Amino acid sequence: DAKTTQPTSMDCAEGRAANLPCNHSTISGNEYVYWYRQIHSQGPQYIIHGLKNNETNEMASLIITEDRKSSTLILPHATLRDTAVYYCIVRGGSNYKLTFGKGTLLTVNP
Amino acid sequence: DVKVTQSSRYLVKRTGEKVFLECVQDMDHENMFWYRQDPGLGLRLIYFSYDVKMKEKGDIPEGYSVSREKKERFSLILESASTNQTSMYLCASSPGQLRETQYFGPGTRLLVL
Repeated sequence: DAKTTQPTSMDCAEGRAANLPCNHSTISGNEYVYWYRQIHSQGPQYIIHGLKNNETNEMASLIITEDRKSSTLILPHATLRDTAVYYCIVRGGSNYKLTFGKGTLLTVNP
Repeated sequence: DVKVTQSSRYLVKRTGEKVFLECVQDMDHENMFWYRQDPGLGLRLIYFSYDVKMKEKGDIPEGYSVSREKKERFSLILESASTNQTSMYLCASSPGQLRETQYFGPGTRLLVL
C-alpha cells in the first residue's frame, strides 16, 4: 500500500471548518483513500473513503486532487467532540488489513 | 448503523491466566478481525475470519487463538497471558469482500500483571 504523510498536529476553533491534509504521492490506480479517527482510548471510527471523486457524507467531505497524490478531509463545523487523532490510509483492492500511521492530532478549541 | 461490541472495556489478568475477549457485530458482516494497538507500533492484525469456522493468521498470531462458531461472534483467546500481551485489543468487522470498509468496536484495554 502507498505511504501517507500527515501533519503531526493541527488546531481548529470550534464552529470553524477543519481541513486535514494528507499526501499519498505513490498511490496507485486501484488504491482507495480512507479516513478514520480515534478519540482517546476508544476504537477507531470510520469517517469516509474515496477513489478519485470527491465524497461527502454526514460526517465529512473528502477532496481528492486530480492527480490523486493528495487529499483533504473537511469537517465543516468542528465541535469539541471532534478532537481526535485522524488517520489517512491508502488501501489497495486486495489488501484486507488496516495499517495506521501516526495520524494528525486535531484539537478543537472553544 | 453498524454496531460492534466488545465484552469488556477494561480487563486486568494475571500472568498464566486464560483470557477470553469477545466481539459481537449486529450487521450480518462476513468478515471479522482482531487487532492490537500499542504506542509506537500502531495497529497490528492478529487473526481474521472470513466465514463461520474459518480463520486466518494475521501478522502476530503467536500466543493467541480465535473462535468463530456463529457469524456474529468472534472470540480472541489468550491461552496463557503474558505481560507482553498488555495492550488495547480492537475488534472490527466488514461486509462482503475482505477489502471492504472495516468498522471497529470500542476496544478492550487489557493489563496483564
